Amino acid sequence: AQSVTQPDIHITVSEGASLELRCNYSYGATPYLFWYVQSPGQGLQLLLKYFSGDTLVQGIKGFEAEFKRSQSSFNLRKPSVHWSDAAEYFCAVQVGGGADGLTFGKGTHLIIQP
Amino acid sequence: SQTIHQWPATLVQPVGSPLSLECTVEGTSNPNLYWYRQAAGRGLQLLFYSVGIGQISSEVPQNLSASRPQDRQFILSSKKLLLSDSGFYLCAWAGSYNEQFFGPGTRLTVL
Repeated sequence: AQSVTQPDIHITVSEGASLELRCNYSYGATPYLFWYVQSPGQGLQLLLKYFSGDTLVQGIKGFEAEFKRSQSSFNLRKPSVHWSDAAEYFCAVQVGGGADGLTFGKGTHLIIQP
Repeated sequence: SQTIHQWPATLVQPVGSPLSLECTVEGTSNPNLYWYRQAAGRGLQLLFYSVGIGQISSEVPQNLSASRPQDRQFILSSKKLLLSDSGFYLCAWAGSYNEQFFGPGTRLTVL
């Protein structure tokens, strides 16, 4: 079965600094990959997705992610964070493009320092 | 555009009481629908998914059940709640590449 690891439970970044959130997956083939953001008490919002093709994908709110097959990683990046980026970030995978649900990592809590 | 609704937004129920959470989707036909649970400090766990009316797949054996009586309606139920059923319940529908779009969630507290 596939699994997703987000090794950082909490990350603190100063406003205006760059950000990288790590995500590693375990699966024999290339799954579909997603990043979601969750504000406190809210549902999840899709930031970006990767299915195939260009390994650098652009998302909403200035985020991007890079798929690295050799490292089984799909790290999320932003060049300059804003205080409004403080939230919980989840990486997820889905196998085969079928009807199966997503497998999520446990999330990374992003704290923005002024 | 598509919209997904969940209600109630919050719910406090005693142990042993029944549960019914509802999810409806607007603006799409025959969507794949999903129920997830998010326990405190943990990621999301897939509970059920449905590819059509009356078709339910269960991912985790538990105290809960799901039903899909109409194309865009998905219901999560329990006959007798347990303390361990507390959590944040999220409904989602799937787009064309199975990217999933989530509702606002229901916060369930079982006392």
